[in-house]
Amino acid sequence: GENVGLHLPTLSVQEGDNSIINCAYSNSASDYFIWYKQESGKGPQFIIDIRSNMDKRQGQRVTVLLNKTVKHLSLQIAATQPGDSAVYFCADKRDDKIIFGKGTRLHILP
Amino acid sequence: SAVISQKPSRDICQRGTSLTIQCQVDSQVTMMFWYRQQPGQSLTLIATANQGSEATYESGFVIDKFPISRPNLTFSTLTVSNMSPEDSSIYLCSVERGAVTEAFFGQGTRLTVV
Repeated sequence: GENVGLHLPTLSVQEGDNSIINCAYSNSASDYFIWYKQESGKGPQFIIDIRSNMDKRQGQRVTVLLNKTVKHLSLQIAATQPGDSAVYFCADKRDDKIIFGKGTRLHILP
Repeated sequence: SAVISQKPSRDICQRGTSLTIQCQVDSQVTMMFWYRQQPGQSLTLIATANQGSEATYESGFVIDKFPISRPNLTFSTLTVSNMSPEDSSIYLCSVERGAVTEAFFGQGTRLTVV
């Protein structure tokens, strides 16, 4: 079935730099796109979402961009910190269900 | 936010046996979801559990293998039946509250089948 996938499985970023995590999707019928963060040994934690009729949304240190033309979603983390080390999942919501993509592990270099 | 407690947090089980995982939420929620996360993988939705009705299973998951109970608005159980090593995974329950997409997750149950 249609699902949400990711371009890169791992990303290493210098502390203080900006991180950009990318995601491709195939289901154009999704109502929302969402980013989750999962730290080791914990369940996923909601970061930010974006409605399908928007192209940008900003939160605290994070920005999500949605390009419907090429079916691409990205998460930008400003001034990456050691606490940002985690696996990041993009997901979409459809039919009252949240469907997860494959995940990108973010490594923070000192 | 929502506080979700799962029990057990981990278990090692013999093949052929069954394990029931409990999920308790600190307030009433309409929909609860069960996910499986295999080692190094993403989360896969197993089923949606609504109070007062049978669970709705995703493709590839069946009630005989993963029976679910939802006796009230704060509690659900997932049973992994007749386990094999391939069932070794983290099982997570999830609820939604507040924002449309802000799902909350339990800490997961790490299951190892030997």
